[in-house]
Amino acid sequence: DAGVIQSPRHEVTEMGQEVTLRCKPISGHNSLFWYRQTMMRGLELLIYFNNNVPIDDSGMPEDRFSAKMPNASFSTLKIQPSEPRDSAVYFCASSSNSGGANTEAFFGQGTRLTVV
Amino acid sequence: AQSVAQPEDQVNVAEGNPLTVKCTYSVSGNPYLFWYVQYPNRGLQFLLKYITGDNLVKGSYGFEAEFNKSQTSFHLKKPSALVSDSALYFCAVRLNSGYSTLTFGKGTMLLVSP
Repeated sequence: DAGVIQSPRHEVTEMGQEVTLRCKPISGHNSLFWYRQTMMRGLELLIYFNNNVPIDDSGMPEDRFSAKMPNASFSTLKIQPSEPRDSAVYFCASSSNSGGANTEAFFGQGTRLTVV
Repeated sequence: AQSVAQPEDQVNVAEGNPLTVKCTYSVSGNPYLFWYVQYPNRGLQFLLKYITGDNLVKGSYGFEAEFNKSQTSFHLKKPSALVSDSALYFCAVRLNSGYSTLTFGKGTMLLVSP
């Protein structure tokens, strides 16, 4: 398996523009996480899906952020409108729940977002 | 709610010396515990995990960690540090079943000097 695949790797956009980050989880995994990493706040969980359903979105900063998982092999994180304080590295991770037991999560390489 | 504490922002150790990176956790139920490592401009890489059984777990690159239920700790250790071990290390916890998010500590920077 190629692992968790995120695109784009880098994104530079102007304030006010819409940004869409994409993630393809590992095949067979049924849990997906979006995290944001900054120097100031470290690694923050934004949202957690299980079987394509959002289970915990309490970490989503505000209404400008939205996430979808239309099927088991694809998820998006959208920011509209983007602001400079959204600049961060965004990670997607996936794991499986096998026989009721949660396994470790595997991370993508991340998307480095810069909003100018 | 579940949480992870990594009390040290940075750990400095000389190459060849043993290293310990500390982690304590809080969770309502039986925990799964994990250590990840992050090199510059890279994603997080899984190092090792504790699920059940032997309290001493061994992982990649010679790392090991000891689960201590009474102290709710899961410290990362290595008998002999390498300069190439220098990186950012994260401890994480989740419940071992059900819908459980994966909660990370703030990370500890390990610097191994030659």
